[in-house]
Amino acid sequence: SQQGEEDPQALSIQEGENATMNCSYKTSINNLQWYRQNSGRGLVHLILIRSNEREKHSGRLRVTLDTSKKSSSLLITASRAADTASYFCATVTDSSYKLIFGSGTRLLVRP
Amino acid sequence: GAVVSQHPSWVICKSGTSVKIECRSLDFQATTMFWYRQFPKQSLMLMATSNEGSKATYEQGVEKDKFLINHASLTLSTLTVTSAHPEDSSFYICSATPRQLAKNIQYFGAGTRLSVL
Repeated sequence: SQQGEEDPQALSIQEGENATMNCSYKTSINNLQWYRQNSGRGLVHLILIRSNEREKHSGRLRVTLDTSKKSSSLLITASRAADTASYFCATVTDSSYKLIFGSGTRLLVRP
Repeated sequence: GAVVSQHPSWVICKSGTSVKIECRSLDFQATTMFWYRQFPKQSLMLMATSNEGSKATYEQGVEKDKFLINHASLTLSTLTVTSAHPEDSSFYICSATPRQLAKNIQYFGAGTRLSVL
């Protein structure tokens, strides 16, 4: 079953703009991860943030985590057309390492 | 590093036949492999967790006799869709967690698109 929801479901921006995606989840977590999926392909891991962390950066990516609100956000700065993809948050709740995915955000970056 | 190969990438079969999908970790030993199903424009739904040498653990609502999973080695897991029907048409994706590296991260195959006629 899905852990939570992401919003927006779809986002269309101009190249160079920032893109922000939000993820909400329902239960306590061990960590939260963001993955990217190009159309019809597998997923690529982007970044992992642990439950005791509040913010993490990786290149043009910035992830925040608010465990009190059970929410996370992914910010992509200075977007490029190549960033066009679907982005999923996924939570790990225990030592089983199972990922429970959110509903995903489809990002379109217009050149 | 951490490459997962999934084969075939696309398969079309007749209703009633069985289809096998392979998932291989090419440059690492996979402690655990996962199988997901994804419908168009939807999220990934975990079907089962597969540990090498033991029976797979299926998620609620997934028919274990329908979706046979074998994890015979630390680098190979297979998913067999038995007696496939049109409603089994979907995108199936595997992932693996490495034994040596960070176990929290899953490495995904490119997926298999199954079309049952």
